Amino acid sequence: EAGVAQSPRYKIIEKRQSVAFWCNPISGHATLYWYQQILGQGPKLLIQFQNNGVVDDSQLPKDRFSAERLKGVDSTLKIQPAKLEDSAVYLCASSLGPMTGELFFGEGSRLTVL
Amino acid sequence: GQQVMQIPQYQHVQEGEDFTTYCNSSTTLSNIQWYKQRPGGHPVFLIQLVKSGEVKKQKRLTFQFGEAKKNSSLHITATQTTDVGTYFCASREGSGNTGKLIFGQGTTLQVKP
Repeated sequence: EAGVAQSPRYKIIEKRQSVAFWCNPISGHATLYWYQQILGQGPKLLIQFQNNGVVDDSQLPKDRFSAERLKGVDSTLKIQPAKLEDSAVYLCASSLGPMTGELFFGEGSRLTVL
Repeated sequence: GQQVMQIPQYQHVQEGEDFTTYCNSSTTLSNIQWYKQRPGGHPVFLIQLVKSGEVKKQKRLTFQFGEAKKNSSLHITATQTTDVGTYFCASREGSGNTGKLIFGQGTTLQVKP
């Protein structure tokens, strides 16, 4: 079974530039999550989708971050404009559904903002 | 919102020694999950505990959920170098499995051979 796919693995940009990350969850997984993990910290949930609807985006900085999952499968997370403090690993995860506990994480996309 | 606090933040042990990390909450948790993240890797699910006082074992790893469902622990017996990594506890806000999954700050384990 293929795991959660993410791209790009690494991205370096200057502050005020924009960046987009892509995630393809495990086939059949209805719930998709984007987490931000700053070095030395635990993952912080940015947004959670159930199929193509948003379940929780309370910690998403909506002035600069946006995410979509238009067809209920893959998802894109965008940052525009980026700030220095956005340097982090952006982890995508999926689960079968909200009633299934285990999250399967992708390898992550490491963002460095200069 | 709900928070889970983990201690210690770091632990260095000699190979063969035991290791324990603790996860505490001021509120009652519906369940607790544990994940392991190897250096440079991504979190990998280890286990979920749901019942008060539950104890589960995976080879050298023992997971406990407190009677009051406000704390949990992960104990590793006779650590090996393959145990190196950061261990996170995580719990969902609200009841059941529908709330967002909140992670603790993790305990990083270093094992000296």
